[in-house]
Amino acid sequence: GQSLEQPSEVTAVEGAIVQINCTYQTSGFYGLSWYQQHDGGAPTFLSYNALDGLEETGRFSSFLSRSDSYGYLLLQELQMKDSASYFCAVYGGATNKLIFGTGTLLAVQP
Amino acid sequence: EPEVTQTPSHQVTQMGQEVILRCVPISNHLYFYWYRQILGQKVEFLVSFYNNEISEKSEIFDDQFSVERPDGSNFTLKIRSTKLEDSAMYFCASSRGRDGYTFGSGTRLTVV
Repeated sequence: GQSLEQPSEVTAVEGAIVQINCTYQTSGFYGLSWYQQHDGGAPTFLSYNALDGLEETGRFSSFLSRSDSYGYLLLQELQMKDSASYFCAVYGGATNKLIFGTGTLLAVQP
Repeated sequence: EPEVTQTPSHQVTQMGQEVILRCVPISNHLYFYWYRQILGQKVEFLVSFYNNEISEKSEIFDDQFSVERPDGSNFTLKIRSTKLEDSAMYFCASSRGRDGYTFGSGTRLTVV
């Protein structure tokens, strides 16, 4: 089966940098994704890492180390609107199903 | 920006009743999914659908649940004989592959 671990909550101030870690256990690995979810809203795709290394998209970057079964999401120049839950997710097999972690609630303070 | 559309946004139903949740995936996507999220918890996989058939389902997706693609655009989730514990947000999603899902805005189902 698959399992993913993330911190439950992170707090940071506006303008700062925050890193949200994710460790995973999976029987087969097809990539790690990150999703953002504002309260009551739909999860929104942020990034996908299939290979080791850093992927950058604007203020957000995502990193993967397959040998360590570990990844992180890095958010720079934090804004109040970044306050949300962030989920890491792994693909569970050839059917492309995503298995989500328990989520990290990010609170950005002024 | 293409969207996944879900209706209704809210549904209240009595225990034991049947509900149908509707979704219109993005037209050029090949994979369709239903997920649910109980309040305050993680997003849980229910079922994936590809090439007009179920490709995988979770242990949550028992005989109470069924999915259909009745025409070229709609994708439905039917819950027969709803239970109190079926109360959750149900999300439909679609994708072309592993490059990222697009989720709909969800249907909040309340079973009373």
